[in-house]
Amino acid sequence: DTGVSQNPRHKITKRGQNVTFRCDPISEHNRLYWYRQTLGQGPEFLTYFQNEAQLEKSRLLSDRFSAERPKGSFSTLEIQRTEQGDSAMYLCASTDDSGNEQFFGPGTRLTVL
Amino acid sequence: GQQLNQSPQSMFIQEGEDVSMNCTSSSIFNTWLWYKQDPGEGPVLLIALYKAGELTSNGRLTAQFGITRKDSFLNISASIPSDVGIYFCAGHPTANSNSGYALNFGKGTSLLVTP
Repeated sequence: DTGVSQNPRHKITKRGQNVTFRCDPISEHNRLYWYRQTLGQGPEFLTYFQNEAQLEKSRLLSDRFSAERPKGSFSTLEIQRTEQGDSAMYLCASTDDSGNEQFFGPGTRLTVL
Repeated sequence: GQQLNQSPQSMFIQEGEDVSMNCTSSSIFNTWLWYKQDPGEGPVLLIALYKAGELTSNGRLTAQFGITRKDSFLNISASIPSDVGIYFCAGHPTANSNSGYALNFGKGTSLLVTP
């Protein structure tokens, strides 16, 4: 399968713990995006990488959130000191340099108890 | 980001019926995309539109980029049970032309199809 993959698919954690998610984009795609989706809403943009450079962050990305894409391939999203409000589906998408058609992974469902 | 308004919020139809849903914005968009999302999965791209007035089909799906560039619609003909899911419109507003093309999404239209 050459689509976007994300791991883990589900994560349950206790409030205050740190969690890390991984995204593997489509191999020839330079652009990688992280989104967050809560129940009844569409995905909301968090951050964007072009190759290894993080070029944009939204206001939703608090200082407890950090994302990396060290070699311009896979990316990780870490949430420190998780809060119950962080419970959501975290989606990763990738696209080529045109930036037009974003292809999404299956998401990581985070539940913070 | 710019708010996209999708309607209807939900639809409950019988198999074989045609479906129409739309998406509007208060600002101009460069690109309109339509996605379908199944429970517990990520959105799957259905159709992408790039020019005002463009009409594009993908099987039983047809979508159009509005002339004003502030709206788009998606039609599904002869619906089948596997069309069940949430349909999202998304787009790149012109105001974000230098932003790396982060997508703005609507809240979705939930479609239920009975056999």
